[in-house]
Amino acid sequence: SQQGEEDPQALSIQEGENATMNCSYKTSINNLQWYRQNSGRGLVHLILIRSNEREKHSGRLRVTLDTSKKSSSLLITASRAADTASYFCAGLDTGRRALTFGSGTRLQVQP
Amino acid sequence: DTEVTQTPKHLVMGMTNKKSLKCEQHMGHRAMYWYKQKAKKPPELMFVYSYEKLSINESVPSRFSPECPNSSLLNLHLHALQPEDSALYLCASSPIAGGPLEQYFGPGTRLTVT
Repeated sequence: SQQGEEDPQALSIQEGENATMNCSYKTSINNLQWYRQNSGRGLVHLILIRSNEREKHSGRLRVTLDTSKKSSSLLITASRAADTASYFCAGLDTGRRALTFGSGTRLQVQP
Repeated sequence: DTEVTQTPKHLVMGMTNKKSLKCEQHMGHRAMYWYKQKAKKPPELMFVYSYEKLSINESVPSRFSPECPNSSLLNLHLHALQPEDSALYLCASSPIAGGPLEQYFGPGTRLTVT
């Protein structure tokens, strides 16, 4: 079962622009994580935000979490062609003790 | 070593074959996972092993049989699969199941059932 929905499903931007992806989740979570997946490859962990945090930064990444709205956003600043990938949020469900992934956003950064 | 390895990279099998997927990690993680991912979809959890014991089975058909021989290895035995089982199978590990840290994913096995 999916944790929730991500929007947009697909996003195409020019190099240098910022990309924002949103994620909504359904259940109670301990933390929310964002992963990147290059086409047909494994997932790479990007950033984790705990349920008692509201915002977190890592390099060009900025993640926000609003537990009252059960939503999170990932901002990639100054995008590069190498950022082209699918991005998934994943909530660590407090009950199941397992990650459940959102539907994902496919990001295309045009050089 | 922060790598999760999976073999084979690609596998083509008939519906009557028996094959196995293998996953290995040497990070000392005590939780290991199998996910199934169809094209343009998110990974779906299949199994979770915690301290070499099966802790979650997401109602996966019995034609998929997981095995955790030791803390570093995870296998997925396949038998009598259907064409709709064709997918990318991902293995992952984490220090403990349900813990606060991220999961490490392998590159996946691309399975095609003919």
